[in-house]
Amino acid sequence: DAGVTQSPTHLIKTRGQHVTLRCSPISGHKSVSWYQQVLGQGPQFIFQYYEKEERGRGNFPDRFSARQFPNYSSELNVNALLLGDSALYLCASSSPPGGFRETQYFGPGTRLLVL
Amino acid sequence: SQQGEEDPQALSIQEGENATMNCSYKTSINNLQWYRQNSGRGLVHLILIRSNEREKHSGRLRVTLDTSKKSSSLLITASRAADTASYFCATAQTGANNLFFGTGTRLTVIP
Repeated sequence: DAGVTQSPTHLIKTRGQHVTLRCSPISGHKSVSWYQQVLGQGPQFIFQYYEKEERGRGNFPDRFSARQFPNYSSELNVNALLLGDSALYLCASSSPPGGFRETQYFGPGTRLLVL
Repeated sequence: SQQGEEDPQALSIQEGENATMNCSYKTSINNLQWYRQNSGRGLVHLILIRSNEREKHSGRLRVTLDTSKKSSSLLITASRAADTASYFCATAQTGANNLFFGTGTRLTVIP
């Protein structure tokens, strides 16, 4: 079975631009979470979606938004990019009934560089 | 902000030696998990220990959890060069729908 996939793998943008990152969960997983990992730090939680509804949001500005589609894939959108948004963006999927607090299966990440 | 802190921040050992990493956290948890990350890639789940468990084993990995001290340790026995990676603890806090990651321990195993 395919694991969690993310696209693109790398991305270079300039300040003020907008970016869309995509994630496909493991087949059968209905929960998707997004994390931001700045170099040298641990991942920080951005969003969690389950059954197409937002179930959790981390301490990120409104420039960050996400959605989940009927096939459980997800998009993370970031508007008005800042230099500080440069990071590895990780998507993780999980499967109820344990769900949100159980093992998370991570994709390879999208490395975003904002110039 | 990070929920947990790993200690040490970096660890360098010879192949065949044991490696011990510690994690401290601040709030009550449902479970604590350890993940490995190679060279800034995606995280790989290693082991999950629940709040009512004290010790768990998986292959060369041994994890302990002390909820009274809000701390956990990860022991990797008979380390290999392929174990070189960053190791993160992550807590599933009571009432939260996400994991809170620590700052990580960078392990280097010298062949």
